[in-house]
Amino acid sequence: NAGVTQTPKFRVLKTGQSMTLLCAQDMNHEYMYWYRQDPGMGLRLIHYSVGEGTTAKGEVPDGYNVSRLKKQNFLLGLESAAPSQTSVYFCASSTRTGWAYEQYFGPGTRLTVT
Amino acid sequence: DQQVKQNSPSLSVQEGRISILNCDYTNSMFDYFLWYKKYPAEGPTFLISISSIKDKNEDGRFTVFLNKSAKHLSLHIVPSQPGDSAVYFCAATIHGSSNTGKLIFGQGTTLQVKP
Repeated sequence: NAGVTQTPKFRVLKTGQSMTLLCAQDMNHEYMYWYRQDPGMGLRLIHYSVGEGTTAKGEVPDGYNVSRLKKQNFLLGLESAAPSQTSVYFCASSTRTGWAYEQYFGPGTRLTVT
Repeated sequence: DQQVKQNSPSLSVQEGRISILNCDYTNSMFDYFLWYKKYPAEGPTFLISISSIKDKNEDGRFTVFLNKSAKHLSLHIVPSQPGDSAVYFCAATIHGSSNTGKLIFGQGTTLQVKP
């Protein structure tokens, strides 16, 4: 049982390049999330999905797009990378069971945009 | 507007003593709170949670206290161990049928437990 996995673990991009981050979960969770973590800013929600084929904007969605074509996968795309997108990106998943709101996180992707 | 705030960026305690990490929130609709622990180069992991119908929840060495009137929660670790050195995030959400599972996170507090 791998939980939540993210690929790649590290990436360096030049300004203007594009890339896609892949998140996969094997827990059959309905909900999936993408966060970015920056020093002193905590975890900020970029986009999220409440089910296959659905996505919604979070707190800081600009410059990112997402897709959830399969329940187990959630993709985060950067169409034209900017230095401000240098960050650590975390994917998480969760399910709704009564009062349980725990999210399970992947190991993160460290992205540097030069 | 930061709805969940952890005003102490760092905390240092001696092994065996109590660690107290604090968290304040501004949205009175929040009714479920969680603490996460994060080691370097790893994703956050769930530690403990509390709903607003309680004012205390314990799990081994970890206890979370909730003061709804003050909109304040705290995480107590007793006794603190060097392996507890990590970044701790508090998070909040609003329970309900329309809840999408979104959590609002604080900025995090880095705990260092010295041997």
